Amino acid sequence: QSVLTQPPSASGAPGQRVTISCSGSSSNIGSNSVNWYQQLPGTAPKLLIYSNNQRPSGVPDRFSGSKSGTSASLAISGLQSEDEADYYCAAWDDSLNGYVFGTGTKVTVL
Amino acid sequence: EVQLLESGGGLVQPGGSLRLSCAASGFTFSSYGMSWVRQAPGKGLEWVSGVSGSGGSTYYADSVKGRFTISRDNFKNTLYLQMTSLRAEDTAVYYCAKGSSGYSSWGRGTLVTVSS
Repeated sequence: QSVLTQPPSASGAPGQRVTISCSGSSSNIGSNSVNWYQQLPGTAPKLLIYSNNQRPSGVPDRFSGSKSGTSASLAISGLQSEDEADYYCAAWDDSLNGYVFGTGTKVTVL
Repeated sequence: EVQLLESGGGLVQPGGSLRLSCAASGFTFSSYGMSWVRQAPGKGLEWVSGVSGSGGSTYYADSVKGRFTISRDNFKNTLYLQMTSLRAEDTAVYYCAKGSSGYSSWGRGTLVTVSS
């Protein structure tokens, strides 16, 4: 049972903007940075956003992250068909002394 | 280029043991914490365990604490996960990941199936 809650699904037409929320608590998002991962079908996860809002080299600037209090969000602007994937938020949890992943959100491009 | 290659997965009976390995290359292995993350069939990601660069600090999810042991050999650039008392719910693809939190590189994973 994950301690970070995400909506199970999100969708949008090509070119639209999609936002995914991630709700946590003071022991994880509230006190540590948030990372986001993208998992394309049948592949290993890939780091998409680190330290709340930083993009690794090679990640398009269509992807952006933000954090406020005990929640975080990932925005995908200019949605493309290749963005169809599962997205997970994650953060270190000081109470559990471990890393926790969100429940995951499946993004569908209509 | 960073490469992580897991091995050691397979079919094991409930109560059995298995040791996973992750061979790392393309970076200074001893300078980075390493972790194991698993994904049960059709399910989400679950962090399993992490170890510091020196191997001196280890961390475990409650679901595996006391049954799994993470270790590393910085001379062989290899990460390990010793799994004992395996249960059906441990069935998953196990990924090796570079980092302590914020995993910048992942292996392709190795499948562990616990079944009689």
